[in-house]
Amino acid sequence: GESVGLHLPTLSVQEGDNSIINCAYSNSASDYFIWYKQESGKGPQFIIDIRSNMDKRQGQRVTVLLNKTVKHLSLQIAATQPGDSAVYFCAGRDDKIIFGKGTRLHILP
Amino acid sequence: DADVTQTPRNRITKTGKRIMLECSQTKGHDRMYWYRQDPGLGLRLIYYSFDVKDINKGEISDGYSVSRQAQAKFSLSLESAIPNQTALYFCATSDGIGTEAFFGQGTRLTVV
Repeated sequence: GESVGLHLPTLSVQEGDNSIINCAYSNSASDYFIWYKQESGKGPQFIIDIRSNMDKRQGQRVTVLLNKTVKHLSLQIAATQPGDSAVYFCAGRDDKIIFGKGTRLHILP
Repeated sequence: DADVTQTPRNRITKTGKRIMLECSQTKGHDRMYWYRQDPGLGLRLIYYSFDVKDINKGEISDGYSVSRQAQAKFSLSLESAIPNQTALYFCATSDGIGTEAFFGQGTRLTVV
C-alpha cells in the first residue's frame, strides 16, 4: 500500500530562522504533492503544491523541494514567524489524497 | 460563509447509537472525502466519492458508511458508535486529480 510519512513529529525553531520540514512517500504513482498547515481548532489549509515533473516550487516565504529519486519532499519556511506555529502535513495524491502523520512546528521567542 | 460546512461541530453520543455527520459544499466540486484525525496519526481516509454515483472505501472504512445525496452533500454514518471512534472528523472537496483539497472545520465526536 501507499504511505506518506514525516520524519519528525515535533520541530522547534527560533523566530526568524528558517524551518525545514521533511516528508517521505512510498507510492511512485503519486504525481502531485501538497503541503497543508493546520492550526489549532481548524481544518487543514493548503500552503503549496508541486507536481512530479518539477523538483522545486516557491511561494511566499515557502519553498517545496521534491526528490523523486529518494521519494522525499521538504517544506522550507523562510524567516519563521509566530503565526507559522501549527501542524504541517504533506500529502500525496493520484486519485485520492493520502496524508502523512504531521510535524508540529514550535516557534521559540 | 464557509465553502465546506460540517454539522454538527461537536457531538457526544453513547455507545451503540447511530450517528450521522453531514458535509455540504458550495464550491461545485465533484470529489468529496471523509477523513478521521487522531492525535499523532495524522488524517486517515475513511471514504471518498468522485461523483454522486461513485463511492469508494478508504484506509479505515470499517464501522462507517457514507451517502452522497447530491453533488454538494456527502454524509458519514456510524451505524453503531463505539468509543474508539472518538476522533476529529474532516470533510474535504476537490475538483479533480492534481488539485488541492479544501477542508471543513471538522466535527469533534466523542463516544461514551
